[in-house]
Amino acid sequence: QLHLQESGPGLVKPSETLSLTCDVSGFSLTRGHYWDWVRLPPGKGLEWVGTVHHTGSNYNNPSLKSRVSISVDTSRNRFSLKFNYVSAEDTAFYYCARRYYPGSGTYYYDAWGPGIMVTVSS
Amino acid sequence: SYGLTQPPSLSVSPGQTARITCSGDAVSKKYVYWYQKKSGQAPVLVIYDDTKRPSGIPDRFSGSSSGTTATLTVTGAQVDDDADYYCYTTDSSVDPLFGGGTSLTVL
Repeated sequence: QLHLQESGPGLVKPSETLSLTCDVSGFSLTRGHYWDWVRLPPGKGLEWVGTVHHTGSNYNNPSLKSRVSISVDTSRNRFSLKFNYVSAEDTAFYYCARRYYPGSGTYYYDAWGPGIMVTVSS
Repeated sequence: SYGLTQPPSLSVSPGQTARITCSGDAVSKKYVYWYQKKSGQAPVLVIYDDTKRPSGIPDRFSGSSSGTTATLTVTGAQVDDDADYYCYTTDSSVDPLFGGGTSLTVL
């Protein structure tokens, strides 16, 4: 059974880099689909952060400009988020999730980690 | 525009029917999915491919889509359905799009 688990610091200082990791079990990243980070800021809605494929190709939400970098480590079956120059506006629950392609139609999220709260504060 | 618009909030009494809409150009082009989000929990898929219900989701949840509007209907809402609901699809490429979310209060 597919299981995702986020890990990383719960507190990051402004202007520093936020680093999170998502460990995946029960499914090999090399079997495909997309692997995403999604966040939920307090009082706001879900926001897609970025995506990585097991080949290493990645892309992120244009609204976050070039602050986001997502990488994959297939040997450890995990993927990671680096978020540069964070500010208080980046305070949020961060979720890793699988974006599944059923063979036709649209990619959609079918599995999520429990989430990790990250606060940006000095 | 490929944004998705939802009403911010909706309140119903237990046993009533709640209808949450999701509007946008992308709705007419792609399947819509609905996620239930409770505080402290990961999102849960309640409707996929516009109208289908995953196993384990109660049959009081249903979905429909026509033109540029998709609708999540909760027939006979229960207190346990009190949550935020998000519609989701992808834009002209495959970039994820979430609606702004609707806070459903069942009280």
